Amino acid sequence: EAGVAQSPRYKIIEKRQSVAFWCNPISGHATLYWYQQILGQGPKLLIQFQNNGVVDDSQLPKDRFSAERLKGVDSTLKIQPAKLEDSAVYLCASSSSGRARDEQFFGPGTRLTVL
Amino acid sequence: AQSVTQPDIHITVSEGASLELRCNYSYGATPYLFWYVQSPGQGLQLLLKYFSGDTLVQGIKGFEAEFKRSQSSFNLRKPSVHWSDAAEYFCAVEGGSNYKLTFGKGTLLTVNP
Repeated sequence: EAGVAQSPRYKIIEKRQSVAFWCNPISGHATLYWYQQILGQGPKLLIQFQNNGVVDDSQLPKDRFSAERLKGVDSTLKIQPAKLEDSAVYLCASSSSGRARDEQFFGPGTRLTVL
Repeated sequence: AQSVTQPDIHITVSEGASLELRCNYSYGATPYLFWYVQSPGQGLQLLLKYFSGDTLVQGIKGFEAEFKRSQSSFNLRKPSVHWSDAAEYFCAVEGGSNYKLTFGKGTLLTVNP
């Protein structure tokens, strides 16, 4: 079974530029998550999708971050414009149903450096 | 709101020695608890989980964890550490209406030969 795929693996940009990350979840998984992991901290949930609808985006900085999950499969996360404090690893995860005790499977992440 | 505290930022052990990583949680209801491991450049991999029942849970790679409700703890243990166990370890608690995972800040494990 193929795991969660993410691209690119690394990205370096200047502040105020825009960037986009892509995630392809495990086939058949209804729930998709984007996490931000700043160096020295644990992952923080940015947004959770159930199929193509948003379940939780309470910690997404909506003035600069956006995400979509078209057709309930793959997803993109965009930052526009980027700030220095956005430097982090962005992890995508998926789970089969998003219900209680449902295991989340994580992709390898995209490491973003903002200069 | 739920929270997780991992008191140890960095632990160094010798290969073959025993290991215990500490985790304390805060959650109003019965917690669902997890331990994940993250190797450099990799995503998180689930080691084990606790939902209910036996408070000592076994996981992959020879790890186990014990849930102690009276201490709000879920410590991870391994009797004999291997060099390949060097990684960062995260404790997490699930809660809320959307079964959200809240992670601790992690413990970095270094294994000396």
